[in-house]
Amino acid sequence: QQQVKQSPQSLIVQKGGISIINCAYENTAFDYFPWYQQFPGKGPALLIAIRPDVSEKKEGRFTISFNKSAKQFSLHIMDSQPGDSATYFCAAIKSNFGNEKLTFGTGTRLTIIP
Amino acid sequence: DTEVTQTPKHLVMGMTNKKSLKCEQHMGHRAMYWYKQKAKKPPELMFVYSYEKLSINESVPSRFSPECPNSSLLNLHLHALQPEDSALYLCASSYQGSATEAFFGQGTRLTVV
Repeated sequence: QQQVKQSPQSLIVQKGGISIINCAYENTAFDYFPWYQQFPGKGPALLIAIRPDVSEKKEGRFTISFNKSAKQFSLHIMDSQPGDSATYFCAAIKSNFGNEKLTFGTGTRLTIIP
Repeated sequence: DTEVTQTPKHLVMGMTNKKSLKCEQHMGHRAMYWYKQKAKKPPELMFVYSYEKLSINESVPSRFSPECPNSSLLNLHLHALQPEDSALYLCASSYQGSATEAFFGQGTRLTVV
C-alpha cells in the first residue's frame, strides 16, 4: 500500500531552470513532511521539511509548497544546478511516541543538464 | 554535531559468515532506526529502537538481529544471509516524542556472496 505517491519518476531540467517534484499522501494523521536528497552510494540527507500548518517554506533555492486540503506537497528547486543532480525522496511522519517511522515516496531521479 | 556514523562503509560476506554493522550518534537522539535500501528504491524500515528498547520490527527475518547497547550505539548482527540481502543498510536517528526529521548515516554497502 503506497501511502505517499511521488512523481515524476525521473526529471531532466536545464541548468538555471526550475525543478518541480510532487507528492500526494492519503493518511491525514501525517504531521511532518521532510524531503531527502540522496547521491549514489550515500545515505539520504535531509533537505527541507514542513509541518501541515504552514503552506510554504523556503530555504535558499529550495521551497516546499503544501496544500493540506488536497493532501499534496511539492518541492521546487530554483536556478537548478548540475550539483543538484540526485535522487529526491519525499516522506511523511505521524507522531506516535516510540513508534514513529518515515513513509517514503518512491523517489525522483533528477538530472540537471548544462 | 548532526552526524550519524556507520561502519564499515563496505562489507563482503559469505552466506555462512557472521558479521556486524555498527552505528553511532552523539546528538542525544533517543530513537534509532535500521533501513535497507535496494538500488533505485526508497529505504525500507527494518527496526526502530526507542529509548534503547525495540519498538518496531517490520517482520524482518531472524538472520538480522538488532542490538542497542546504549543510547548512542546501534548494531545490526548478520548471520546466514542470502545473496538477495545485498543492499545498502542505513542507520538513522531522530528526537523522540514528536514527529521530526531523521538524520541518516552514509550507509554500509553489503554484498553477500
